[in-house]
Amino acid sequence: RKEVEQDPGPFNVPEGATVAFNCTYSNSASQSFFWYRQDCRKEPKLLMSVYSSGNEDGRFTAQLNRASQYISLLIRDSKLSDSATYLCVVNMMSGGFKTIFGAGTRLFVKA
Amino acid sequence: ETGVTQTPRHLVMGMTNKKSLKCEQHLGHNAMYWYKQSAKKPLELMFVYNFKEQTENNSVPSRFSPECPNSSHLFLHLHTLQPEDSALYLCASSQLRDGSPQQETQYFGPGTRLLVL
Repeated sequence: RKEVEQDPGPFNVPEGATVAFNCTYSNSASQSFFWYRQDCRKEPKLLMSVYSSGNEDGRFTAQLNRASQYISLLIRDSKLSDSATYLCVVNMMSGGFKTIFGAGTRLFVKA
Repeated sequence: ETGVTQTPRHLVMGMTNKKSLKCEQHLGHNAMYWYKQSAKKPLELMFVYNFKEQTENNSVPSRFSPECPNSSHLFLHLHTLQPEDSALYLCASSQLRDGSPQQETQYFGPGTRLLVL
């Protein structure tokens, strides 16, 4: 089983739609969680950190469920510019520092 | 701009060549990282430098040799690579607090796209 798993998609949605991604992690020693965005042939960029209480940044909402070991990202009112790959990232101290990236979920927002 | 620069942006090398990738961060961070991103695979953490000391080496072959002369610069020296080493090599940096890297977000450079022939 992969340590961090994401649905690869692609998700094809119209502008204005709401879309949600989930990411599951297997190591209970996981301590911090992030969503990154990666555009085609570009580097990953931090979208938002994920806190236990959940957090919102404009149209983006991230949630963490430690009991079920998953995090989620909700995008409301999708824009064309939201088209990208969304990477789930989990950091932990388990036999040393580890940062595990998911393989990413591809999102295409269509006009 | 992320404040992390990498050179060269593209590199083609033969299996017998020696080359070096360079990364520089302008963010005042104290930790730097090398990642490998192959096609259709997740990013793989290769090396971590924490306060200029290498703290992690995730079973990376010895043909990859990192060097961190100071907290702003990071190199990846390449020697006798294989075609399967062709990938995007990303450098990142972060600011550690209390020496705990797991809480911090990382800022990535644009990467070096490497092709080994």
